[in-house]
Amino acid sequence: DTEVTQTPKHLVMGMTNKKSLKCEQHMGHRAMYWYKQKAKKPPELMFVYSYEKLSINESVPSRFSPECPNSSLLNLHLHALQPEDSALYLCASSPGATNTGELFFGEGSRLTVL
Amino acid sequence: GEDVEQSLFLSVREGDSSVINCTYTDSSSTYLYWYKQEPGAGLQLLTYIFSNMDMKQDQRLTVLLNKKDKHLSLRIADTQTGDSAIYFCAAFGGATNKLIFGTGTLLAVQP
Repeated sequence: DTEVTQTPKHLVMGMTNKKSLKCEQHMGHRAMYWYKQKAKKPPELMFVYSYEKLSINESVPSRFSPECPNSSLLNLHLHALQPEDSALYLCASSPGATNTGELFFGEGSRLTVL
Repeated sequence: GEDVEQSLFLSVREGDSSVINCTYTDSSSTYLYWYKQEPGAGLQLLTYIFSNMDMKQDQRLTVLLNKKDKHLSLRIADTQTGDSAIYFCAAFGGATNKLIFGTGTLLAVQP
């Protein structure tokens, strides 16, 4: 299994809703990432988990809350989002706990905030 | 910090070679990557080169690195319509020890 699987593929939510994005990998990778990508822009790093511990938070607003229940799963909990948070949210994993830039991406969850 | 730049758009005819260029600013970057993103999809790692290499070939893909000029290029031989996508150059290492993506180049392949 060489895939990173993200669900849901599409999500529409209001500004008062609470929702979650999920990511799963079964490649035995030790690090997992959340990226945000706006249209026609490169991905922007949000969070990095290494060995299930949060190692990098790129000053992301607290309305985004990551969770890593185990080495295969990564969640992103969403609450009180703003319309400008609408974007493609990409999950990625890398083989080692130390990032070398070799990332395996999922297909993304496209989020629309109304 | 690291800055990675690419031209925005490249149009080629099917069967021609494509060359996508990238420049970066941090000379201590250790790994340089090329990722491909098709419409509505995630990024796919295409190839990479270590900073102590000049060239790497992988089937239709050739990566050239000019470390002195901090210039990276990706050549796609016999370009096909399925190669139409956005190509991101990315540099890792250096002062930030993070992966920094370039602005992306949209490759359009005309039949």
